[in-house]
Amino acid sequence: DAGVTQSPTHLIKTRGQQVTLRCSPKSGHDTVSWYQQALGQGPQFIFQYYEEEERQRGNFPDRFSGHQFPNYSSELNVNALLLGDSALYLCASSQTPFGVSQETQYFGPGTRLLVL
Amino acid sequence: GENVEQHPSTLSVQEGDSAVIKCTYSDSASNYFPWYKQELGKRPQLIIDIRSNVGEKKDQRIAVTLNKTAKHFSLHITETQPEDSAVYFCAARTNNFNKFYFGSGTKLNVKP
Repeated sequence: DAGVTQSPTHLIKTRGQQVTLRCSPKSGHDTVSWYQQALGQGPQFIFQYYEEEERQRGNFPDRFSGHQFPNYSSELNVNALLLGDSALYLCASSQTPFGVSQETQYFGPGTRLLVL
Repeated sequence: GENVEQHPSTLSVQEGDSAVIKCTYSDSASNYFPWYKQELGKRPQLIIDIRSNVGEKKDQRIAVTLNKTAKHFSLHITETQPEDSAVYFCAARTNNFNKFYFGSGTKLNVKP
């Protein structure tokens, strides 16, 4: 039973560039949430995707966008990268049977993004 | 929105002692409170959780208590071991859509 996977594991970009991060949820899960974890901080909720739509969003600018595919995998896109976007980006998957979220979520290993 | 505060930021205990980490939340509608353990360079792992209709939950050496009136919840680890050393995060779910707010973390160091 595969857990949550993310790619790539590490990424280095320069300011102004764009980046795409990928997440495959745990088998049987249909909901993907994305978090940004700055060094020494707790994860901050970016947004959540369910049924290929953004269902919830945290306090992040429109430079952060996402997508969910029919197989439930998801992408996080960040445009016009800033130095402050350097962080560990985590995705978490969960189940939403009949539209009701199950609380338990499982995290992927994360993608560490460094913006120079 | 919800605000979760976590204390202390660092905690050092001797092996075998107990450790307590405390969190407060601001949104009375929050209904689910998980705790995660994150070892260096690894993903957060769920270690215990509690729902708002329960006051206490225990799993071997780990327990969590919730005081809804005071809006705080705590993680208790008894008989600590060196492998308990990690960063621990509390979190609160504010609605039924799995939007979680995390505390800033507690770095626990268990000295052998």
